[in-house]
Amino acid sequence: ILNVEQSPQSLHVQEGDSTNFTCSFPSSNFYALHWYRWETAKSPEALFVMTLNGDEKKKGRISATLNTKEGYSYLYIKGSQPEDSATYLCALDNTGTASKLTFGTGTRLQVTL
Amino acid sequence: EPEVTQTPSHQVTQMGQEVILRCVPISNHLYFYWYRQILGQKVEFLVSFYNNEISEKSEIFDDQFSVERPDGSNFTLKIRSTKLEDSAMYFCASRTLGFSGNTIYFGEGSWLTVV
Repeated sequence: ILNVEQSPQSLHVQEGDSTNFTCSFPSSNFYALHWYRWETAKSPEALFVMTLNGDEKKKGRISATLNTKEGYSYLYIKGSQPEDSATYLCALDNTGTASKLTFGTGTRLQVTL
Repeated sequence: EPEVTQTPSHQVTQMGQEVILRCVPISNHLYFYWYRQILGQKVEFLVSFYNNEISEKSEIFDDQFSVERPDGSNFTLKIRSTKLEDSAMYFCASRTLGFSGNTIYFGEGSWLTVV
């Protein structure tokens, strides 16, 4: 069974705080790691697709890094805003066949004023 | 921005009934997927579909499940005889190309409740 783990499970920060969370995965047979932002009653929004060891990607105040050798990716949010409140999901492609993603449990972020 | 759309957003059905969940993938996409999330559990893969046939399916996707692309725009998931444990949020997804660095776009989900 392929285990993709995310930590923490939930996080509560104040507006303006910077925060980060982790996605851990088996380092063998790595093809890509996807990050999604999912608000209740909306579709999961694609944030990043990361494929190369050492990749760093940025979208506004959100950025992500990837270490395929040790099997982890970090997602950072700088200066959190209430609208960042969502569940952040990572998903691993370890088949390279354009088929399935294996998801983590998600990190639920709540940002308060 | 183009999006994956799903209907219905919520369906309640009796155990043993057939259910069809519908999806309209993004128009130039070629690869289609169904995933589901049982409440409190991880999002899990059900099936992938390319070139009018299933390319991969999970152990969950047994004979009770089928997929179809009947008219070149819709992509449907049929559950023949629903069980209580089929209650979940079902997500449709699509992508343009079949390589790992390509983004997969998800719909809002169809919440199925089996009673």
